[in-house]
Amino acid sequence: NAGVTQTPKFRVLKTGQSMTLLCAQDMNHEYMYWYRQDPGMGLRLIHYSVGEGTTAKGEVPDGYNVSRLKKQNFLLGLESAAPSQTSVYFCASRGSSNTEAFFGQGTRLTVV
Amino acid sequence: GNSVTQMEGPVTLSEEAFLTINCTYTATGYPSLFWYVQYPGEGLQLLLKATKADDKGSNKGFEATYRKETTSFHLEKGSVQVSDSAVYFCALRSLKEFYFGTGTSLTVIP
Repeated sequence: NAGVTQTPKFRVLKTGQSMTLLCAQDMNHEYMYWYRQDPGMGLRLIHYSVGEGTTAKGEVPDGYNVSRLKKQNFLLGLESAAPSQTSVYFCASRGSSNTEAFFGQGTRLTVV
Repeated sequence: GNSVTQMEGPVTLSEEAFLTINCTYTATGYPSLFWYVQYPGEGLQLLLKATKADDKGSNKGFEATYRKETTSFHLEKGSVQVSDSAVYFCALRSLKEFYFGTGTSLTVIP
């Protein structure tokens, strides 16, 4: 019973490098979300998707891009990483019949 | 707009003490309310939820009541254990999006 799986769990990037974080869910959920968690700031929404092929901006979208080509996957891309993007990133999903969101284990990203 | 304000921590309690973590919200419409818990190095797990006014969510000895008149959803537990040490997040969902508080760190000492 995997739920929401994030890959990778840890990553160190140099400033200017690019990378993609993968989120996969096996619950056939329509909604998927990417958050970043920073000390003292809680979780802030980066982008979200309400279904395959759709994406929308959240509170802090700058510097990130996303894609939802398949219903089960939601990718978060950093085209040119900056130290300000050092954070813990969480993916979550929710089915249309669910009230709550289900979270992955997180990806700890450090940009040096 | 939508927002969640929760009591700042950290909170340190002795085992078997009573716990209250305050949470108030601002929302348009009729949001659902949640408490999530995060253990070190892990993702957020749903602790309890309430979907309409006067609903009480409960789980593992924790309770919270959806109070529309005071726009609050305070978390309580009568007797905390060392294993309850974690970060607790209050959240609301309005339509498609979730909004989270900044989290309250709880440490329970034996």
